[in-house]
Amino acid sequence: EDQVTQSPEALRLQEGESSSLNCSYTVSGLRGLFWYRQDPGKGPEFLFTLYSAGEEKEKERLKATLTKKESFLHITAPKPEDSATYLCAVHNGRTNFGNEKLTFGTGTRLTIIP
Amino acid sequence: SAVISQKPSRDICQRGTSLTIQCQVDSQVTMMFWYRQQPGQSLTLIATANQGSEATYESGFVIDKFPISRPNLTFSTLTVSNLSPEDSSIYLCSVKTVLPYGYTFGSGTRLTVV
Repeated sequence: EDQVTQSPEALRLQEGESSSLNCSYTVSGLRGLFWYRQDPGKGPEFLFTLYSAGEEKEKERLKATLTKKESFLHITAPKPEDSATYLCAVHNGRTNFGNEKLTFGTGTRLTIIP
Repeated sequence: SAVISQKPSRDICQRGTSLTIQCQVDSQVTMMFWYRQQPGQSLTLIATANQGSEATYESGFVIDKFPISRPNLTFSTLTVSNLSPEDSSIYLCSVKTVLPYGYTFGSGTRLTVV
């Protein structure tokens, strides 16, 4: 069974203090690893898709990296508006109807203190 | 990417009643997914809905409790039946998009059962 574990559960940083969020995964055949941002009371907002080990993607202060067992979301010089829950999900590699699914981690709740 | 309109955004319902959630997409999509996000937990897939066929349910979810309709390629509904307080959750619809490849989520429906 596919599993995704995110750490830490919660992280409080001072504005400008860089850090990384971890997503460890086990999946039978990785088709994609997804990072989402979720604000309170809203649905997840897509950030990145990573497909293979060694791949990196960047968006503003965020950079996502992927190895064969884990992914990191690096946040550089964060601002208070970066405060949110960050979710990681893996695609199970199946594309036929009824068998395709994403498995999500429980997320990291990030708080940036001004 | 696709834009999803999900209604209602929140509701408070009496136990024993039902709530129907609507999901409207601004473009035609093959697969639509319904998720549940219980308080403090991650997203769990309820079922996958494809136009013209019955939905496929994940283990632990049954059609009698969570009937789904998918009348066309831009619309779906999820009904949560015979409500109990344990059904209090956020319910989210999601669609798979090809360009760009990924999964887009609606803003969610926050259900409280009293």
